[in-house]
Amino acid sequence: AAGVIQSPRHLIKEKRETATLKCYPIPRHDTVYWYQQGPGQDPQFLISFYEKMQSDKGSIPDRFSAQQFSDYHSELNMSSLELGDSALYFCASSSVKSGDTGELFFGEGSRLTVL
Amino acid sequence: GNSVTQMEGPVTLSEEAFLTINCTYTATGYPSLFWYVQYPGEGLQLLLKATKADDKGSNKGFEATYRKETTSFHLEKGSVQVSDSAVYFCALSDRASGTYKYIFGTGTRLKVLA
Repeated sequence: AAGVIQSPRHLIKEKRETATLKCYPIPRHDTVYWYQQGPGQDPQFLISFYEKMQSDKGSIPDRFSAQQFSDYHSELNMSSLELGDSALYFCASSSVKSGDTGELFFGEGSRLTVL
Repeated sequence: GNSVTQMEGPVTLSEEAFLTINCTYTATGYPSLFWYVQYPGEGLQLLLKATKADDKGSNKGFEATYRKETTSFHLEKGSVQVSDSAVYFCALSDRASGTYKYIFGTGTRLKVLA
């Protein structure tokens, strides 16, 4: 079965650079979530989209932005990168359609290292 | 607001020992409850779930029962293996204004020794 696809899997950037992460949700899933997980930390919710509209916002820095496109894939854009942005970034998708239990399906994550 | 509290780790057990990881929640509605597992270097995977009171989720020898009266969803396994070493996250989802909102616990690291 198709899973959530994230790219790139690994990314190395310098401070003050920009990075873009991509997420392709499970087909027919209508909701995408972004999480940030620092070393030894639990996943922190950043932002979510439902049917291409932002549905909820968590602890996403102003330097970050995200959007969901017409094909439902989502991109997380991070600018003016700081050392503290080094983390594993997860995308997850779910469906709110009738009969679904709201289970979250996670991608493998994109590991960002800021030098 | 909704919240999830799970026992702090790390938990270190010998192989074949009994495992319990406590999880309690607070919620204003009727959430679904989940346990996710994260193996080193990997993403979170759903381990089991329960969508209503008294439901029991089970998978790979792990079990958890949705207890509304005690607002708990404790994870148990009768005999752990070295391969169960991972971080376990308790989570709830609540549907508000159309979409699901998820709350995760802080994770409990389990280390199983041979």
